[in-house]
Amino acid sequence: GESVGLHLPTLSVQEGDNSIINCAYSNSASDYFIWYKQESGKGPQFIIDIRSNMDKRQGQRVTVLLNKTVKHLSLQIAATQPGDSAVYFCAENIPGGGADGLTFGKGTHLIIQP
Amino acid sequence: NAGVTQTPKFQVLKTGQSMTLQCAQDMNHNSMYWYRQDPGMGLRLIYYSASEGTTDKGEVPNGYNVSRLNKREFSLRLESAAPSQTSVYFCASSDSWGNNQPQHFGDGTRLSIL
Repeated sequence: GESVGLHLPTLSVQEGDNSIINCAYSNSASDYFIWYKQESGKGPQFIIDIRSNMDKRQGQRVTVLLNKTVKHLSLQIAATQPGDSAVYFCAENIPGGGADGLTFGKGTHLIIQP
Repeated sequence: NAGVTQTPKFQVLKTGQSMTLQCAQDMNHNSMYWYRQDPGMGLRLIYYSASEGTTDKGEVPNGYNVSRLNKREFSLRLESAAPSQTSVYFCASSDSWGNNQPQHFGDGTRLSIL
């Protein structure tokens, strides 16, 4: 079954606001998580990753938070821009799952309102 | 910096025809992967190559074969295309298998089987 999912299929935010995209995972053994951005007609683009020994990791305008207690992952995008419009999905690594054990979620479509 | 390059970008086949999808990466990565992406579903792994000279089945290998031609190139072959194989196919690579490294994707091949 789907062990990585998203709370909302579509998220609409105003340009300049912060965006928060959520992801739930069900496998407590997962030790590595990745967020990808996929624009229309393009392949998934790596944004940021985090290992299970961390709670938070920051990149350029993005922050990933990991709450292992409730098996929840979130991606925060600061000062959302039109170029942030895309589908965002998370992936988790399940140790011993083969092929890096990555399981991908279905994605959240982020829409930026002018 | 090309990253992962896939050819062709689009292809239409008739049922029963054969086709090879090409993938090359210039990042000196050891591991390569083939996924399919269908509407409403996450990326599903078809085959992967943990290192040059090895290939293994993923979640949905039936109807496909692969060849790891060298460290740079990993091809996917459909011997007898079926309408169920209509999908977008993505190739990816990562520095190493099972070492919690992100996978980097090409822009995909959009394949329609009539």
